[in-house]
Amino acid sequence: QQQVKQSPQSLIVQKGGISIINCAYENTAFDYFPWYQQFPGKGPALLIAIRPDVSEKKEGRFTISFNKSAKQFSLHIMDSQPGDSATYFCAASSYTGGYQKVTFGTGTKLQVIP
Amino acid sequence: SQTIHQWPATLVQPVGSPLSLECTVEGTSNPNLYWYRQAAGRGLQLLFYSVGIGQISSEVPQNLSASRPQDRQFILSSKKLLLSDSGFYLCAWSRQGIGETQYFGPGTRLLVL
Repeated sequence: QQQVKQSPQSLIVQKGGISIINCAYENTAFDYFPWYQQFPGKGPALLIAIRPDVSEKKEGRFTISFNKSAKQFSLHIMDSQPGDSATYFCAASSYTGGYQKVTFGTGTKLQVIP
Repeated sequence: SQTIHQWPATLVQPVGSPLSLECTVEGTSNPNLYWYRQAAGRGLQLLFYSVGIGQISSEVPQNLSASRPQDRQFILSSKKLLLSDSGFYLCAWSRQGIGETQYFGPGTRLLVL
């Protein structure tokens, strides 16, 4: 019940195209849904995050769509650029035991080709 | 602004040797601190978390231990490394409270030979 399922495992997109990564969860206690971007050899960096009372959040070229009833959320990268090539992790977290416990998806390796 | 540091950046150690990885956070007080391990091409596995000085909780049984001697210092240790301890170790911090984001450090690449 604590799993977050992420797909696809890898994604190749042409420059200027739309990259879409999907995640699904089971635990309705999750109350915060961040996305992280990780470049090789670096730590994950927070990209964008959403709370379950909002259906969509947009920051620049990055948009999270959230469907609470379906327990699914997705990341859309508009006008994808080669610099967006990285691994993306969705995550879901809930407050338990005095801390925000984060469950991560397995990651999507995105390659944007010129 | 807050900054999180990890060192060393890279470490090559023989099997059976001890380990000490250090993480420090600047620009905040009383943070929650976390140690994760990331295997090559895999997701992140939470190893330890701490909500205060001397308070350590372990998520999975393993060959590692953690300590928090100061408010903004988190140390990952082992008395005897195993080959399976190789990986990318990430420290993270968050503010205390509901719905707070975890922010990650640059990581330490550990190779046990």
